[in-house]
Amino acid sequence: GAVVSQHPSWVICKSGTSVKIECRSLDFQATTMFWYRQFPKQSLMLMATSNEGSKATYEQGVEKDKFLINHASLTLSTLTVTSAHPEDSSFYICSARPGTSGRMDEQYFGPGTRLTVT
Amino acid sequence: TQLLEQSPQFLSIQEGENLTVYCNSSSVFSSLQWYRQEPGEGPVLLVTVVTGGEVKKLKRLTFQFGDARKDSSLHITAAQPGDTGLYLCAGANNFNKFYFGSGTKLNVKP
Repeated sequence: GAVVSQHPSWVICKSGTSVKIECRSLDFQATTMFWYRQFPKQSLMLMATSNEGSKATYEQGVEKDKFLINHASLTLSTLTVTSAHPEDSSFYICSARPGTSGRMDEQYFGPGTRLTVT
Repeated sequence: TQLLEQSPQFLSIQEGENLTVYCNSSSVFSSLQWYRQEPGEGPVLLVTVVTGGEVKKLKRLTFQFGDARKDSSLHITAAQPGDTGLYLCAGANNFNKFYFGSGTKLNVKP
C-alpha cells in the first residue's frame, strides 16, 4: 500500500512552453501533497505544499506564477511549469500525506519526473 | 538556506567496514526521518525518530536522534555494496513540512 505515482517519468520540452506533471496517490487519499525539486548531485528542496481544495503555499523564493499547483481531488495534484527555461531543468518529486493516518510526519514519495528544457 | 547539514558529503568504503553519517542543525525538529535514494528514483523512507535520545535499529542500520532534537546520526555496521546510495535526513518543523539535509553519497566497494 501507500503508492504514489508521477506522470510523466521524464519529459523534454522547448524553452517557452509549459509542462504539466501529475502526482497521484494510488491507494490512499492525500489531503496534503508536497512538491520538491532536486538538481543533480544535490538534495531535495521543498517548493510548495499542496492542500486539497485550497491554494498551495509556496516556499520563499519559489515563483507561484511560474510553478502552478492544483490539488483538485484527494488523489491528484498537478504541477505546471509555465514558460519553461533551461534553468528549470531538474528532477521534480512529489510526496503525499495520507489524510486519515493521524501521523503528520507520514509521507510517501513518488518516483520523480525528469524535466529537460532545451 | 540549508537547515540541515550532513557530513560527510561523500563516503567511499570497502565492504565490511562500518560508517556513520551525521545530520546537524541549529533548529529543533518535531521529528526527523532518514531516507535512501537511488539515482533517478524518489527517496525511500528508512526510519522516523520522534523522541529526543531515541535509538532505532533496522538490521545493520542504527539511527539516533539527539537529546535536543537538533541532530541525528545513522550508523551502518558491516556495509555491503547494496547499501550504496544517497542518504538523506529530513526534519519536520512545527507545521509538519519537511526540509531535507544536504545528502551523503555512499559508495560501498566489493
